[in-house]
Parts: sequence; structure tokens; C-alpha cells
Amino acid sequence: EVQVLESGGGLVQPGGSLRLSCAASGFTFSSFAMSWVRQAPGKGLEWVSAIGGAYVGTYYADSVKGRFTISRDNSKNTVYLQMNSLRAEDTAIYYCAKLGGLRPYWGQGTLVTVSS
Amino acid sequence: DIQMTQSPSSLSASVGDRVTITCRASQSISTYLNWYQQKPGKAPKLLIYTASSLESGVPSRFSGSETGTDFTLTISSLQPEDFATYYCQQSYSTPQTFGQGTKLEIK
Repeated sequence: EVQVLESGGGLVQPGGSLRLSCAASGFTFSSFAMSWVRQAPGKGLEWVSAIGGAYVGTYYADSVKGRFTISRDNSKNTVYLQMNSLRAEDTAIYYCAKLGGLRPYWGQGTLVTVSS
Repeated sequence: DIQMTQSPSSLSASVGDRVTITCRASQSISTYLNWYQQKPGKAPKLLIYTASSLESGVPSRFSGSETGTDFTLTISSLQPEDFATYYCQQSYSTPQTFGQGTKLEIK
């Protein structure tokens, strides 16, 4: 059974940093790209970032480029999202997902609130 | 980046109605198109993957189809639990972009 579990969300002040983690199991983790998707309150789904599987490449939405860094540790089946210089508009539920391949899998999300 | 244009943005319908939601890709994505249902406070729920494959456990009143770069989600007979927001998402290339969403409301 495939499982995707995010952690690391919380309340942070504007300009602060936070690192999200996503642990996955039930599939050959290193073979697949992993993504982060977010949803601000009352808004739609926004793709944030992705990282390739064995052939590692990283991709970012313009809204987070230069502030967020995605990485992965294939030995731990875990993907990370380091979020720096956080802004109020980064407040959202952050979902980790395996979006590629034939069938996607999502976690339940972790809430990030940027507020003073 | 591939743009996904979803329509309509909102829709009012009655229980028992047949409903169609459309997503158009800005370029060919083969059949790498997924449909999700989302209810308030919940994570997106996968309904359809690869354009027409029904996710396990999803009622058969949901179906998906594809014609070129146009994709359709059809609900054959709306049930009360189907009132939610629906999203399409292409998984052909990174970034795996989403449609803007369709809010399905009770008439």
C-alpha cells in the first residue's frame, strides 16, 4: 500500500524559515519524481516544486523560486521542502505527492501559517 | 509550461442531473490527465487517472474521456455527496499543472 506522509508545518513569522518533510512508502521511491502542491485558504491547487527521481532535476513555481529548495534522500524515502523568506501569501496547506507515472498518490497535507 | 483550461468555473445542478466538466490542455498530453474531487477541509480525492481509468472505490457514475487535448469528466446522475470542487491535473510534464477548478453547487 502506498503511503505519503507530510510533517513539519506550523506557525512562522514573516521572513522566517520552515522545513517540510515527506516520507513515502509502498513504491520504488527513487524511480519517481516527487512534488509539493499547496492550497491557500479558499484558493485552488498550486503546484510548487518537484524533484526528479534517479535523474535528479529540480523545478520551482515562479512564486517560490529563490526562496524554496526541494531535496530528497532516497535512502530514507523522504523528500524535503526548505522554505526561507516566508511571506504571508505562503500560508497554505502543503501537500506532498507523487504526481507522475500512471497513478498519482497524495498525502493528507501539512498546514503552514505565516503570521506575526 | 502546459496550461490547463477548465470550464465551467462554477456549476449549479440538481440531484439526478448529468453533469460534464471539461479541461483543455495547451498542448498534447497523451492521456496523462487526472481528475480530483475536493471537499472543504479535505485533501483532494482521486477520481479518474490516465483520462479514463476509474480509481478503485469511486462510484461508476463518474467517468472520464479524452478527445485530443480536450478531456471530460462526466457524472451521470448527481448524488448529494457529489457537490464539491473538481480539479483536473496533467501529469505529462513538469510542472504538473492544474485546472482552475469547478465548484459544483446544488441548484
